[in-house]
Amino acid sequence: KNEVEQSPQNLTAQEGEFITINCSYSVGISALHWLQQHPGGGIVSLFMLSSGKKKHGRLIATINIQEKHSSLHITASHPRDSAVYICAVRGGSEKLVFGKGTKLTVNP
Amino acid sequence: NAGVTQTPKFQVLKTGQSMTLQCAQDMNHEYMSWYRQDPGMGLRLIHYSVGAGITDQGEVPNGYNVSRSTTEDFPLRLLSAAPSQTSVYFCASSYSGVGNSPLHFGNGTRLTVT
Repeated sequence: KNEVEQSPQNLTAQEGEFITINCSYSVGISALHWLQQHPGGGIVSLFMLSSGKKKHGRLIATINIQEKHSSLHITASHPRDSAVYICAVRGGSEKLVFGKGTKLTVNP
Repeated sequence: NAGVTQTPKFQVLKTGQSMTLQCAQDMNHEYMSWYRQDPGMGLRLIHYSVGAGITDQGEVPNGYNVSRSTTEDFPLRLLSAAPSQTSVYFCASSYSGVGNSPLHFGNGTRLTVT
């Protein structure tokens, strides 16, 4: 069983819709990362959080440590948000364990 | 700042050949790491380093060597390439470790072993 599970695997939305991507993990963690992988392959860090909620522009990330769950929300989605979104968690030491990603397609 | 620079972008090797994937960062980051990305598998950690002179194994270290002689550079060596090492490789760095600071990724190296 994967230590990090993301849902859904694929998501198609219409421009303007509110998007939620979920990440559940089975190990105790000290930090969780949300990453975005562009269609061209490049990966950028969106958020790193260990508690509560963070917001950057139209993106919001939340984490519930007790429930071992995090969500990434995109408000007013746009075709340029189309990408693969990856959740990664830090358990012990300096190692990250990654989810398999959620492929988001936003249609105009 | 150039950020994290990976070279080459593409490489084709024959089974048994050796090569080095280069990774350099100019942000004075202590933490550097190598990942491979395979279809349906997600990113997996190969090796990582928390500072010059210190390296450790990740999830899939077999067939790969690393060294960290300077803060800036973290090369990944394939000693004897195998078709199972066909993958996309990413180098990433962070200021002080994955529990304290965000990761900065290189653009990736697509490696094919025939």
